[in-house]
Amino acid sequence: KNEVEQSPQNLTAQEGEFITINCSYSVGISALHWLQQHPGGGIVSLFMLSSGKKKHGRLIATINIQEKHSSLHITASHPRDSAVYICAVRGGADGLTFGKGTHLIIQP
Amino acid sequence: EAQVTQNPRYLITVTGKKLTVTCSQNMNHEYMSWYRQDPGLGLRQIYYSMNVEVTDKGDVPEGYKVSRKEKRNFPLILESPSPNQTSLYFCASSLSRLAGAGELFFGEGSRLTVL
Repeated sequence: KNEVEQSPQNLTAQEGEFITINCSYSVGISALHWLQQHPGGGIVSLFMLSSGKKKHGRLIATINIQEKHSSLHITASHPRDSAVYICAVRGGADGLTFGKGTHLIIQP
Repeated sequence: EAQVTQNPRYLITVTGKKLTVTCSQNMNHEYMSWYRQDPGLGLRQIYYSMNVEVTDKGDVPEGYKVSRKEKRNFPLILESPSPNQTSLYFCASSLSRLAGAGELFFGEGSRLTVL
């Protein structure tokens, strides 16, 4: 069973700062997802990665398959980025394993 | 609009009273799944389905049943709810039938309280 660890668990930063959230997993995977959950509960998919790097607006996600590690970066952070960010990995055929999430607060 | 719809969004019930949480998607997705989210534990998979009439247990299936009689619907059934099933439940779907191999679309969540 894959173990997924996210760091930090909690992060408070000032508006405009560059944010990095990390995700490490224990067993080789075929895909990794980054999800965003705003207060109030809804979950949206940000990225699905199997290699390399993806960018969408101010968000950048990278993955290093050899090191079993992925990072989510937010440039020019804004209070509306305040949310829980969740990493999820796909290993075999038995579904997804989720990290416990990183609680991000961006203060104005 | 492409979406995953769950109902009810909020429900308070009592121990032992059977209930069903419905999930419907309008994107012709192959893969559907149910998760529960609890403080400190994160999201955990309950059941998933790769196709009509094909369902499999996730990490925490005890006390739950599912069915996939039509491609668009994947209801979660609690035959005899207990207080430890109080949780926030999410349904999700994906175009690819392989778990996690495609972008995930989540419903808005159903907050269930069992007294």
